[in-house]
Amino acid sequence: ETGVTQTPRHLVMGMTNKKSLKCEQHLGHNAMYWYKQSAKKPLELMFVYNFKEQTENNSVPSRFSPECPNSSHLFLHLHTLQPEDSALYLCASSQVGGAVTEAFFGQGTRLTVV
Amino acid sequence: SQQGEEDPQALSIQEGENATMNCSYKTSINNLQWYRQNSGRGLVHLILIRSNEREKHSGRLRVTLDTSKKSSSLLITASRAADTASYFCATGAGGYQKVTFGIGTKLQVIP
Repeated sequence: ETGVTQTPRHLVMGMTNKKSLKCEQHLGHNAMYWYKQSAKKPLELMFVYNFKEQTENNSVPSRFSPECPNSSHLFLHLHTLQPEDSALYLCASSQVGGAVTEAFFGQGTRLTVV
Repeated sequence: SQQGEEDPQALSIQEGENATMNCSYKTSINNLQWYRQNSGRGLVHLILIRSNEREKHSGRLRVTLDTSKKSSSLLITASRAADTASYFCATGAGGYQKVTFGIGTKLQVIP
């Protein structure tokens, strides 16, 4: 248990569905991240939220829409996805500013788009 | 864009042997981190080395950092079957600790 919880663990959705991934951190961190991990590719940083403000969007298609209502919760809203969006989606949190610390990851959501 | 590149991409050793993985990166960093990932799970942080440090130890792990060569190595001594996993290096830079990962080294430790 890393203190970062992602739900659901597995999700199968059709291309016309709308679903959301949830991430919650209990570590008091002020930054949260979404990563995408596809087979045989590096982890791709998708979004960064620092103090609830989005500070990075790595050219992610608009069918992925993040939401950070507070520093403990992060959502990734999904709509009209493509089969190539099937991947492991990882959420992470860290404390930024001051001493450098590591990122703590959730267990991920395995997403399959059919 | 990919910052860290691990080498080799796959490594298979016998239990008890040492495993060495290397990481190269391209731009200036504040720190370099190593993570482990068991199949289909989240990443677990192993060790962080700052840009002004050259070597760091944690249990059976030894990490070195050469900023002039923009490279790092992770040594796992006396490997165990439970060390079987993918290992990633990640570089930290920027005010909000943007962490960028490589593709990873897949380590298999044969009992």
